Amino acid sequence: QVQLQESGPGLVKPPETLSLTCSVSGASIDNYYLHWFRQPPGKGLEWIGYMYYSGSTNYNPSLKTRVTISVDTSTNQFSLELTSVTAADTAFYYCARSPMGTFYFDYWGQGSLVTVSS
Amino acid sequence: EIVLTQSPGTLSLSPGERATLSCRASQSVSSTFLAWYQHKPGQAPRLLIYGASTRATGIPDRFSGSGSGTDFTLTINRLESEDSAVYYCHQFGGWAFGPGTKVEIK
Repeated sequence: QVQLQESGPGLVKPPETLSLTCSVSGASIDNYYLHWFRQPPGKGLEWIGYMYYSGSTNYNPSLKTRVTISVDTSTNQFSLELTSVTAADTAFYYCARSPMGTFYFDYWGQGSLVTVSS
Repeated sequence: EIVLTQSPGTLSLSPGERATLSCRASQSVSSTFLAWYQHKPGQAPRLLIYGASTRATGIPDRFSGSGSGTDFTLTINRLESEDSAVYYCHQFGGWAFGPGTKVEIK
């Protein structure tokens, strides 16, 4: 049974860096695209970006200058870093995967609420 | 960038009824890239439909997807209480999802 679980601080001060990790169990992350999304309370879902397990990345242009997604195949985890956060970055953050060659996200994490506040 | 619009915003129906959810794109979308997701509070979003009409593994046949071009539909037959959720459409490659349709079961 494939499971993804986000973890990280629930509170981040501006203008620090938000860091989250997604732990994948039940399957190797090899040959998958690994994604991060966010949803501010009461607002829509936004795709932050993704990384192929081998290292190539693609980021949402609106966040590109502040986002880094990285992967650690030895621990079957991937991570999100978002720098210079503001209150506008307060959101539920979700990780997900998509099999290589497909165009959908087949498994997601439950989400992690990150609040940006001093 | 392609903008997805979903309607209605909220759908309130009784068990056993049919729900028809609409997803409209601002320009033509390849059906290959259109998916629907179900999201319940506190839970992981769940893939329902991909390629506009293919049910994901384990999804009951009460759920069906159709459409092409700019107009896509998710139909939920014989509604059950467990279908209460927000449903999102998404075009793979687009950074934003549709705004979602909230389905409430009376």
